[in-house]
Amino acid sequence: DTAVSQTPKYLVTQMGNDKSIKCEQNLGHDTMYWYKQDSKKFLKIMFSYNNKELIINETVPNRFSPKSPDKAHLNLHINSLELGDSAVYFCASSLQGNYGYTFGSGTRLTVV
Amino acid sequence: AQTVTQSQPEMSVQEAETVTLSCTYDTSESDYYLFWYKQPPSRQMILVIRQEAYKQQNATENRFSVNFQKAAKSFSLKISDSQLGDAAMYFCAYRSGWETDKLIFGTGTRLQVFP
Repeated sequence: DTAVSQTPKYLVTQMGNDKSIKCEQNLGHDTMYWYKQDSKKFLKIMFSYNNKELIINETVPNRFSPKSPDKAHLNLHINSLELGDSAVYFCASSLQGNYGYTFGSGTRLTVV
Repeated sequence: AQTVTQSQPEMSVQEAETVTLSCTYDTSESDYYLFWYKQPPSRQMILVIRQEAYKQQNATENRFSVNFQKAAKSFSLKISDSQLGDAAMYFCAYRSGWETDKLIFGTGTRLQVFP
């Protein structure tokens, strides 16, 4: 059983389109995250939800909107995609405290 | 704000040898956690080892160990008996013990392992 699963793994789309990435975790964790990994491999947090409540919202364009229907799911919707949105997007989950994250396998988004 | 610095963009090691990856961080907090993550070409992020700042003893996980120097704000990763499967990007990461739970990552070190 995959602990944190993201779909799709690959996404190629045209500029201006709207797309969503889904994430689900079956670990019983209370916090979920979206991270963006750019072409230089740098990982930066975008959003964090704890028990469906948004607790971290970094300086991300408002074209990006996370949604957490329950604490096991955190989806990411992106409107009006731009070339600069091309990256790998990772979903992760954790328990609050000294635990590391469990990451999904990432979604490689390519905007053409 | 906390920062994490990995000053070695690339490192290489021969199979069976030992290699050390460097990481320094900056924080004013006394309670925090440090991690090393491995990202192989499959791009999966894998937790290698973690260290609680309040523990003086260095963490070890099989062939992986850390040298945690709290006063110097240094957290290096030692890989012993390197294997071809250790080839990957390695990220050092910091997590506050007080604030929100975001992981702050360094820029990564690409490790090559030669037979």
